[in-house]
Amino acid sequence: SQQGEEDPQALSIQEGENATMNCSYKTSINNLQWYRQNSGRGLVHLILIRSNEREKHSGRLRVTLDTSKKSSSLLITASRAADTASYFCAPPQAGNMLTFGGGTRLMVKP
Amino acid sequence: DTGVSQNPRHKITKRGQNVTFRCDPISEHNRLYWYRQTLGQGPEFLTYFQNEAQLEKSRLLSDRFSAERPKGSFSTLEIQRTEQGDSAMYLCASSLVGTSSGELFFGEGSRLTVL
Repeated sequence: SQQGEEDPQALSIQEGENATMNCSYKTSINNLQWYRQNSGRGLVHLILIRSNEREKHSGRLRVTLDTSKKSSSLLITASRAADTASYFCAPPQAGNMLTFGGGTRLMVKP
Repeated sequence: DTGVSQNPRHKITKRGQNVTFRCDPISEHNRLYWYRQTLGQGPEFLTYFQNEAQLEKSRLLSDRFSAERPKGSFSTLEIQRTEQGDSAMYLCASSLVGTSSGELFFGEGSRLTVL
């Protein structure tokens, strides 16, 4: 089945640093979504990038998509302690159903 | 609040008991999804509905699990004869088919602990 695989599994940085997370997937997609999950909470949609887009920005987030390599990256600039969370990429399956990998657990130390 | 609502938020039960979780999606959303998440893992897809029709079920969904969405609005997920391995967070999400984003809106989850 199609699901994103995030890398690294865990990332620890200091406040103010940038955090980069990568995602790989297997089959062709029309779009790819990124979600964030704070500990013990539900997932929250961050950003969607379409297959005809190479890069997209939203506030401190920058997402890239390389369809030839079947990969995406999420960059969080000037990280804050509140960015501490797990981050998941979600390439859609048939019927727009989303499946999730193990995520990247980001810890931002104050 | 018009987000996705899940109840109960926490449930502790003894092995062998039945439990039922309820999900109220965003009112105009026609799709509803159930996921299960264990500690340190990503959400695993269980099943989804479009309106009242259950369109797909994961192989993870054993015959002890049943989900319904009788009127195409709220949904229930029942687990019969619970086992310790059922301990997890059960997440519900909803979406509106036809939107360009396909974004899922998640509830806060129902955490199940089976003793």
